[in-house]
Amino acid sequence: GAVVSQHPSWVICKSGTSVKIECRSLDFQATTMFWYRQFPKQSLMLMATSNEGSKATYEQGVEKDKFLINHASLTLSTLTVTSAHPEDSSFYICSASGQTGELFFGEGSRLTVL
Amino acid sequence: DAKTTQPTSMDCAEGRAANLPCNHSTISGNEYVYWYRQIHSQGPQYIIHGLKNNETNEMASLIITEDRKSSTLILPHATLRDTAVYYCIVRVATIRDMRFGAGTRLTVKP
Repeated sequence: GAVVSQHPSWVICKSGTSVKIECRSLDFQATTMFWYRQFPKQSLMLMATSNEGSKATYEQGVEKDKFLINHASLTLSTLTVTSAHPEDSSFYICSASGQTGELFFGEGSRLTVL
Repeated sequence: DAKTTQPTSMDCAEGRAANLPCNHSTISGNEYVYWYRQIHSQGPQYIIHGLKNNETNEMASLIITEDRKSSTLILPHATLRDTAVYYCIVRVATIRDMRFGAGTRLTVKP
């Protein structure tokens, strides 16, 4: 099946720094990728839709200036958490749509902000 | 997308079939039923999806009632590695995003 890869799988950073997470579709082209956030013992929450070659679409309540999304190619989307704070610590997951409509998810990236 | 209702948690004995129900009484004609699962600290894994016919693959079977208002995911011989949160999602196939509910936490016990 289609594979979506995220990097890094975990990252620890100091408060105030920025962190970039990459999401790649390894064996298919994805014009659209999605970014989710998951806090402990909660479900996945859609943050934004990443469109190749255009601006991302953010869900209500998600700050676009804090969570910068870039989708420069058909196989790569990046999420940058700017000026990270401890409350941004979470599990970030990306996904991309395959040909038949099912969504394939990355392994997730766990961010810890000290 | 139509709303789904799933039990919060279920237990299953190892080697037995695990039957996970999902209610989607407001499903519309062009919405599919998708099932994903999430093992702890991993990204969700696609299991199966269907429109109105029952479906089977190497992982599971999906039984959809004739009125399409509910469905059941069947793991025929549950193993300890099937312990996970299982999400039932209803969505139009052409809409590419996917919204997750709370899911069912399945615990397979030896």
